[in-house]
Amino acid sequence: GESVGLHLPTLSVQEGDNSIINCAYSNSASDYFIWYKQESGKGPQFIIDIRSNMDKRQGQRVTVLLNKTVKHLSLQIAATQPGDSAVYFCAENIWGSGGFKTIFGAGTRLFVKA
Amino acid sequence: DVKVTQSSRYLVKRTGEKVFLECVQDMDHENMFWYRQDPGLGLRLIYFSYDVKMKEKGDIPEGYSVSREKKERFSLILESASTNQTSMYLCASSVDTTNEKLFFGSGTQLSVL
Repeated sequence: GESVGLHLPTLSVQEGDNSIINCAYSNSASDYFIWYKQESGKGPQFIIDIRSNMDKRQGQRVTVLLNKTVKHLSLQIAATQPGDSAVYFCAENIWGSGGFKTIFGAGTRLFVKA
Repeated sequence: DVKVTQSSRYLVKRTGEKVFLECVQDMDHENMFWYRQDPGLGLRLIYFSYDVKMKEKGDIPEGYSVSREKKERFSLILESASTNQTSMYLCASSVDTTNEKLFFGSGTQLSVL
C-alpha cells in the first residue's frame, strides 16, 4: 500500500548550518506533499507544501525539493536555529472516499547544537 | 488563527473502560480527523469525517468509533479500552476535501492500565 518514509530518524546539526531532511514516498499518483513541524508538547504545524507540477518551492528559510523520478522529497532549512529543534514529518495527500486524506511518514527529529 | 481544542491533555483509564476523546474546531472547517501517534510510526489515521453525521475509516479503525453530530465537534470513542491503545491522540481539521494544510490540536496522551 501507499507509504511515506524517512531515511534518517534523527539529525544533529550545528547552529547556523543548513539542515536537510529527506523523505521517500511510494504512491506515484500523489500530487500534493506537505512538511509539518512538531515541537515538544504541541501538535504538528504546517511548514510548506509543494505540488507535483513543481520541483522546488521556497519559503522563509525553508525550501522543499521534489524529485518525482525517484519519488523523493526533501526539506532544507537554512541557517538552522535552536528554535528549529523539533520532529519533522513529510506527508502526502492521497484520494480516499469522497476526498483526500493525509498520510504521514515516521518523522525525523532535528537537534540543533549551540 | 484556527484553533483546534482537545478536551484533555492527559487521561488515564483502565482496561475495558469506555473512553471519549473530544475535539472542537472554531473555523467552520468541513473536514476533521483523528490520528494516533506512536514513536517510530509517525501519525496513523484512525477515522475522518467530511461532513456532519458522516465518517470514513482510516488506516487503523479497529477498536475505535467516532461521532460527528455538529460540524465543529468530532469525538473519538474507545468502546472497550485496551493497553495497546495507550498512545498520543491528535485531532485535526482542514477547510475542505482538498485537505490542504491540516490544523492540529495539542494532543491527548492516553494511558490504559
